[in-house]
Amino acid sequence: GENVEQHPSTLSVQEGDSAVIKCTYSDSASNYFPWYKQELGKRPQLIIDIRSNVGEKKDQRIAVTLNKTAKHFSLHITETQPEDSAVYFCAASKGSNYQLIWGAGTKLIIKP
Amino acid sequence: EAQVTQNPRYLITVTGKKLTVTCSQNMNHEYMSWYRQDPGLGLRQIYYSMNVEVTDKGDVPEGYKVSRKEKRNFPLILESPSPNQTSLYFCASSFGRAGGELFFGEGSRLTVL
Repeated sequence: GENVEQHPSTLSVQEGDSAVIKCTYSDSASNYFPWYKQELGKRPQLIIDIRSNVGEKKDQRIAVTLNKTAKHFSLHITETQPEDSAVYFCAASKGSNYQLIWGAGTKLIIKP
Repeated sequence: EAQVTQNPRYLITVTGKKLTVTCSQNMNHEYMSWYRQDPGLGLRQIYYSMNVEVTDKGDVPEGYKVSRKEKRNFPLILESPSPNQTSLYFCASSFGRAGGELFFGEGSRLTVL
């Protein structure tokens, strides 16, 4: 069946360095790829998303890149700060409908 | 304020005692969904609804029921809870367009003894 693989499961980086989280999807019809951030004890919240007609999208220190041919997309966080510590989830749409297939999450730890 | 409200936020119950977790959104969203979150397993969808009176199973529907009689409400019913349903539950809603942002409730932590 359709699935989304997310790596790594845990990522520890020094404050100020960059962090990259990668996801691979299986459904070639997927056309929407959001990233959600979940801080400890909080709800998941959308931080950035990208559609299949775009290769890259940036929002300040975060960016998402999409490679449709290889069926993978990545979250890039530059100049990491303590408040970036959280669990990050990627997702891909099931074809073009409402439903999302979720990755298992990446725990990002920012070391001071 | 636009929000998704879940109740209760915390609940400890015993095996077999029926319970309902309510979910309400005030954004006129068509799409609503329930997830459970367990350590190492990410977010797993239980049930979803694309509109009033339209519901469908997600990936882990066993042991759960839902209803969508009104657009704003989407309760999750555990008819006979078991310990393996101990989890953190999230309700979420969106406008339903492909690519619409999902707004999550604050979560309901359920413990079944």
